[in-house]
Amino acid sequence: EAQVTQNPRYLITVTGKKLTVTCSQNMNHEYMSWYRQDPGLGLRQIYYSMNVEVTDKGDVPEGYKVSRKEKRNFPLILESPSPNQTSLYFCASSPTRGGAMIQYFGAGTRLSVL
Amino acid sequence: AQSVTQLGSHVSVSEGALVLLRCNYSSSVPPYLFWYVQYPNQGLQLLLKYTSAATLVKGINGFEAEFKKSETSFHLTKPSAHMSDAAEYFCAVSLYNTDKLIFGTGTRLQVFP
Repeated sequence: EAQVTQNPRYLITVTGKKLTVTCSQNMNHEYMSWYRQDPGLGLRQIYYSMNVEVTDKGDVPEGYKVSRKEKRNFPLILESPSPNQTSLYFCASSPTRGGAMIQYFGAGTRLSVL
Repeated sequence: AQSVTQLGSHVSVSEGALVLLRCNYSSSVPPYLFWYVQYPNQGLQLLLKYTSAATLVKGINGFEAEFKKSETSFHLTKPSAHMSDAAEYFCAVSLYNTDKLIFGTGTRLQVFP
């Protein structure tokens, strides 16, 4: 089944403890992206990647890192999480680039930073 | 810079009633416009998209949206609501020469029996 898989789905951690949220897609998509969803703010892009070893900042990159060593994987790294990073995170991928692209989303990771 | 505004963070309708979710966009050039739906505990999925072909766009599950340049609007409608339509709906805008999708703040649709 074609899908974007995120792990874990739920995560509770403490301030300063490094964590990684994994994202994997099995559709051979070149474009991948991370978003965070907060009430009243909609989805905001954190980072995106147009291909292996090519990543760029989105609108809210502070406090996050990403890497794209393989086409299928795009992990999101929080080196020193803080409570303001408590949010719902989505990974997405797309087979094409450009404004008309359709993005396919994972089921989300709900993160709480205490 | 482009943006979208969704009027009404919550909309409630009775089953069988018309669904109207409002979206207005701001863009200096012709945009691409999208509606995504998020069912509880799931990721977003595409309902429909406008890419400068027909101004009336039909999507999945009986939804449609009309691009109105004069009103800078892309409202989402469905003639008859079903209980299964209860979800959060996001309008989004993009430009042809970018890899960026800008989302609105979302509208939560409740459907009452």
